Amino acid sequence: GEKVEQHESTLSVREGDSAVINCTYTDTASSYFPWYKQEAGKSLHFVIDIRSNVDRKQSQRLIVLLDKKAKRFSLHITATQPEDSAIYFCAASRTSSGQKLVFGQGTILKVYL
Amino acid sequence: EAAVTQSPRNKVTVTGGNVTLSCRQTNSHNYMYWYRQDTGHGLRLIHYSYGAGNLQIGDVPDGYKATRTTQEDFFLLLELASPSQTSLYFCASSDADWGVYEQYFGPGTRLTVL
Repeated sequence: GEKVEQHESTLSVREGDSAVINCTYTDTASSYFPWYKQEAGKSLHFVIDIRSNVDRKQSQRLIVLLDKKAKRFSLHITATQPEDSAIYFCAASRTSSGQKLVFGQGTILKVYL
Repeated sequence: EAAVTQSPRNKVTVTGGNVTLSCRQTNSHNYMYWYRQDTGHGLRLIHYSYGAGNLQIGDVPDGYKATRTTQEDFFLLLELASPSQTSLYFCASSDADWGVYEQYFGPGTRLTVL
């Protein structure tokens, strides 16, 4: 079955710098790639997603890149702020509607002043 | 904003005990999911459902049963709990049929099996 690997377990960046979190997946049939954020002691919430018919998507300070050939996708957070500090999870799904998500292990992002 | 609630928020039981975790969503979403979160594993899908009476097997179903009694309510049952089932459990919902692909998560239930 699908496996999603999140390459950075912890990432520390200075406020205002960019943060990049990388994920790889194994199933070439995966077509939907969302990202979720979990703040300390809280639940997860959706931040951004990308589908396999595009290779780049931006929402304000968040950019997602998808390289289908390499089976790799990444989340770029520009101009980081302290409130970006959280655990970020990437995920992949074979279904175009996003069911049956397979999650990565999570990346702890710390933004310091 | 989609609302997903879970109960109880914390539960302690003993090995061999019987546990039911409850989830309710009030946004008429078709899909509901049960995940467990463990350090080093991220979230793993246990079971999911696309409507009342429907059940789909997830990636780590062993030792778990689930039942979707209504569109709003989804239950996770551990009939013979084991210490390996100590985890943080999340319920989520989505409505992919209407183009709502993002999943809305509940606050989580922390289960400890002694």
